[in-house]
Amino acid sequence: QLQLQESGPGVVKPSETLSLTCTVSGGSFSSASSYWGWIRQPPGKGLEWIGSIYYTGSTYYNSSLKSRLTISADTSKNQFSLKLTSVTAADTAVYYCARDHGGFGYWGQGTLVTVSS
Amino acid sequence: EIVLTQSPGTLSLSPGERATLSCRASQRVSSNYLAWYQQKPGQAPSLLIYGASSRATGIPDRFSGSGSGTDFTLTISRLEPEDFAVYYCQQYGNSYTFGQGTKLEI
Repeated sequence: QLQLQESGPGVVKPSETLSLTCTVSGGSFSSASSYWGWIRQPPGKGLEWIGSIYYTGSTYYNSSLKSRLTISADTSKNQFSLKLTSVTAADTAVYYCARDHGGFGYWGQGTLVTVSS
Repeated sequence: EIVLTQSPGTLSLSPGERATLSCRASQRVSSNYLAWYQQKPGQAPSLLIYGASSRATGIPDRFSGSGSGTDFTLTISRLEPEDFAVYYCQQYGNSYTFGQGTKLEI
């Protein structure tokens, strides 16, 4: 059974960089036709797609975040990562990683990241 | 960007009743690449429907999706107590966007 697990700091200071890693287990990050994505959800609000990466390294970003966003992968570790620069309170959210294969069929449990000094 | 508008915002029903949730897109969804998710409090969303009408693995057949183009519907034929949750639609035909959600409450 495919499992995903997010990891990273729970608190980030304003103007700094938010960094998260998603570790994939029970399956291969490099499996064909699979994209891997990041989605976030501010407290009490709806879902926002952040971006996705194919195992080859091709990336697709939400245009509203593109200037601050980098998604990368380390296939040897079955991991992909998110870096979001110059964060503000508006970036406070639960961040999820998920497998993107005709809908997001597998999700991590999510990790709350709070932007606060 | 394709904007998805879900209605109603909140739907109040009882177990055993039929639920009909709507998702309208601001422009045609390519190849009917439309998914539905269920989210319960404190949990990650779970995929119910993809490709507008295909049930994901393990999803009971009381859940069905229909529609094409710009208008899509999620129907729950006979509500069970565990179905009361928030439901989101998502399009993945042109980048990715989510609807704002419909809360299904008892």
